[in-house]
Amino acid sequence: SQTIHQWPATLVQPVGSPLSLECTVEGTSNPNLYWYRQAAGRGLQLLFYSVGIGQISSEVPQNLSASRPQDRQFILSSKKLLLSDSGFYLCAWMRPNEKLFFGSGTQLSVL
Amino acid sequence: QKEVEQNSGPLSVPEGAIASLNCTYSDRGSQSFFWYRQYSGKSPELIMFIYSNGDKEDGRFTAQLNKASQYVSLLIRDSQPSDSATYLCAVRDYGQNFVFGPGTRLSVLP
Repeated sequence: SQTIHQWPATLVQPVGSPLSLECTVEGTSNPNLYWYRQAAGRGLQLLFYSVGIGQISSEVPQNLSASRPQDRQFILSSKKLLLSDSGFYLCAWMRPNEKLFFGSGTQLSVL
Repeated sequence: QKEVEQNSGPLSVPEGAIASLNCTYSDRGSQSFFWYRQYSGKSPELIMFIYSNGDKEDGRFTAQLNKASQYVSLLIRDSQPSDSATYLCAVRDYGQNFVFGPGTRLSVLP
């Protein structure tokens, strides 16, 4: 069966510090991978998606970036965090034309 | 811009009643429709999906789709307090991208 791992579960970072969130999927190959952000009490905002190694599409211009160095690994990064980057970050995966499954999420607080 | 709309709620129903959650979408090219349940502080969990017009039942859940009206709904029969959560409607287009609604908060009262 397929599983998705996302870490860390919670993170508190000062403004201006770097960020690296990692997500890995097991039990499948060549999945579509996604990063979403959910601000408190708000809906899900798609940040990045990837259909293959090195292929990243950005949905929202911001100070975040994403990379896919391996088939089942997706990384969300920032060089300098802003207060507005606080939120619940969710990694998700999908086989083409199938269903979307989420990781457990990372609650990021930027202070 | 593709949009998915939901009543934010809260929708309150007594235990044992039927909860009805509604969703409309703007893109007529949408192919697939999903309902996710999200407990506070947790990630969304897929509970139903529907691809064709009509009804689809799974246990206490029924998803209904009307593509002509661009409308999808979720019925929860015999609602339980454990059903209290936010329910997210999601729509997938040809481009493999999902658009999520803002969610409806459901409260099932004992």
